[in-house]
Amino acid sequence: EPEVTQTPSHQVTQMGQEVILRCVPISNHLYFYWYRQILGQKVEFLVSFYNNEISEKSEIFDDQFSVERPDGSNFTLKIRSTKLEDSAMYFCAKRTGTDTQYFGPGTRLTVL
Amino acid sequence: AQKITQTQPGMFVQEKEAVTLDCTYDTSDQSYGLFWYKQPSSGEMIFLIYQGSYDEQNATEGRYSLNFQKARKSANLVISASQLGDSAMYFCAMREGSVSYGGSQGNLIFGKGTKLSVKP
Repeated sequence: EPEVTQTPSHQVTQMGQEVILRCVPISNHLYFYWYRQILGQKVEFLVSFYNNEISEKSEIFDDQFSVERPDGSNFTLKIRSTKLEDSAMYFCAKRTGTDTQYFGPGTRLTVL
Repeated sequence: AQKITQTQPGMFVQEKEAVTLDCTYDTSDQSYGLFWYKQPSSGEMIFLIYQGSYDEQNATEGRYSLNFQKARKSANLVISASQLGDSAMYFCAMREGSVSYGGSQGNLIFGKGTKLSVKP
């Protein structure tokens, strides 16, 4: 089942710059999630998004992060002023009605 | 305390043999879900198998099965007839609480993973 696509696959940015990561679900689902995985570490939950609103967020998801669904299809994660420690793989996931979450291929963010 | 514990940082298995990857979890919820994901070197997260806390039978998906022992709070992944393409990181994850339409639950808590290497 093709789940979600994410763009770009790799983003390199300078510290302090803003980045926008995009997620495009193939089919229309209500539940979306962003996770991140710092290299060599476990996957960590950032935020969940339900019915075009944030429904839950972790302590990692501070004021530098925001999520939007600007046009009803794309789903974006914005990091306002990137820090070195934001370097990670960022995954978008969607949840089906059966509870399973399917992950996109990820965006590797490198902050220099 | 860790919610999901995977005690094996790395495992080796001979091709065509079976292997068990361990996962224990900690929750006080009665309703929860347990998941296994595979992460090959390319980086994507591939869903393998799901077990609900109320499911009485162990989940199976092809060569994957989940050995669910609720009293022990363990959810081990068994891969039968290992193939070279099974070499990857494997993550156990848990979703706490019940999931309902309109609710906000659903985020997954992951373990640190086990790196499986299949030897020819």
